[in-house]
Parts: sequence; structure tokens; C-alpha cells
Amino acid sequence: SQTIHQWPATLVQPVGSPLSLECTVEGTSNPNLYWYRQAAGRGLQLLFYSVGIGQISSEVPQNLSASRPQDRQFILSSKKLLLSDSGFYLCAWQTGYGSYEQYFGPGTRLTVT
Amino acid sequence: SQQGEEDPQALSIQEGENATMNCSYKTSINNLQWYRQNSGRGLVHLILIRSNEREKHSGRLRVTLDTSKKSSSLLITASRAADTASYFCATGMEYGNKLVFGAGTILRVKS
Repeated sequence: SQTIHQWPATLVQPVGSPLSLECTVEGTSNPNLYWYRQAAGRGLQLLFYSVGIGQISSEVPQNLSASRPQDRQFILSSKKLLLSDSGFYLCAWQTGYGSYEQYFGPGTRLTVT
Repeated sequence: SQQGEEDPQALSIQEGENATMNCSYKTSINNLQWYRQNSGRGLVHLILIRSNEREKHSGRLRVTLDTSKKSSSLLITASRAADTASYFCATGMEYGNKLVFGAGTILRVKS
């Protein structure tokens, strides 16, 4: 069966510090991968998605970047965090073969102080 | 941008009652999905309905889709305390695999 992991689960970082969040998927190959951010009490905002290694599409111009160095690994990064980067970050995968359901990881709660 | 808008924003019912949540959207879609999120957790996929379908069932869940009104509803029958969560609709566009999520409905089921 497929599983998706995210780490860390929680993170408190000062303004101006770098960020690296990691997402890995097991039990599937060549998935579509997504990074979302969820503000408190709000819906999900799509940040990045990837249909293959090295292929990243950005949805919202911002202080963040994403990379996919391996087929089942998706990384969200920032060189200098802003207060507005605080939120709940969710990674999701999708088979990409005509199946539209997305399967989410447990999320990372980021607080920028 | 958020395409789906859920209504109501919050709903509180007694265990055993039915819960109905609505979702409206603006553009043409390929499919519409409903997800559940327990507090502080990731989202769980509940059900998908395609644009050429009008109704779909899965256990205690019933989803309807009216593409002429650009709206969908999720009915949870015989609710349980464990159904307490936030529920989100997500629309899949006509082209591509991306989803656009609404702001969600917070459901509280009191035992």
C-alpha cells in the first residue's frame, strides 16, 4: 500500500532563517506531487506541483521554492522566512494516470517568530 | 484562488441526525471531490463525483452534483461523534489534475 511521510511535524523558526520541509511517498512510482499551505481556519492554497523529477510548477509567486530530486521526494524550501510564511503545510500525491484523487500527508505546522 | 465555497461555515448537530453541506463553484469542472480533515491532521479523501454524474453514494455519504447550478451537496446520514471534522469540497478543472479547494465547513456532532 502507498504511504506518504512529511517531516518535521512541527517547526518554529525565526524570521530570516532558511526552511526545508521534506515529503516522501512509498509504494507508488511517478506520482504527481503537490505542496499546499493552509492558513488557520481556511482552505488549502496550492503552492507547487510536480509531474516528474525536476519538473516544478509554481502557482503563487512567493518566498518559497520547491524541488523534486527523486521520483518520490518533494522538498519545500525558503532562503529567508517571513512572518507570513507561518501556516500548516501539506504534501499530497496523486497517481497521475487518469485518477484525480489526492492523498495527503500528516502536515507540518510552521510558526515563524 | 478559491473556486469552491462551502455553506454553512459551521454546523452543529446531535448524534444520529443527518448533516448536509453545500459547495458552489464558478467555472466548468471535470470532477468534484469531498475531503475530511480532523483537527491538525492531513486531509482524507471521501468521495469523487464526475461532471457527468448526478449522484453518488459511499456508505453513509451521499453526494449530488448539479452542473447547471454549479453546486454540490454532501449528506452524511446518521452522524456520529467521530464525524466531527472540517469538510472541504475540491474542484478538478476540465484540463489537468490540479484541485481548487473551498474554505470548508466545520461539523460538530454532539453525543
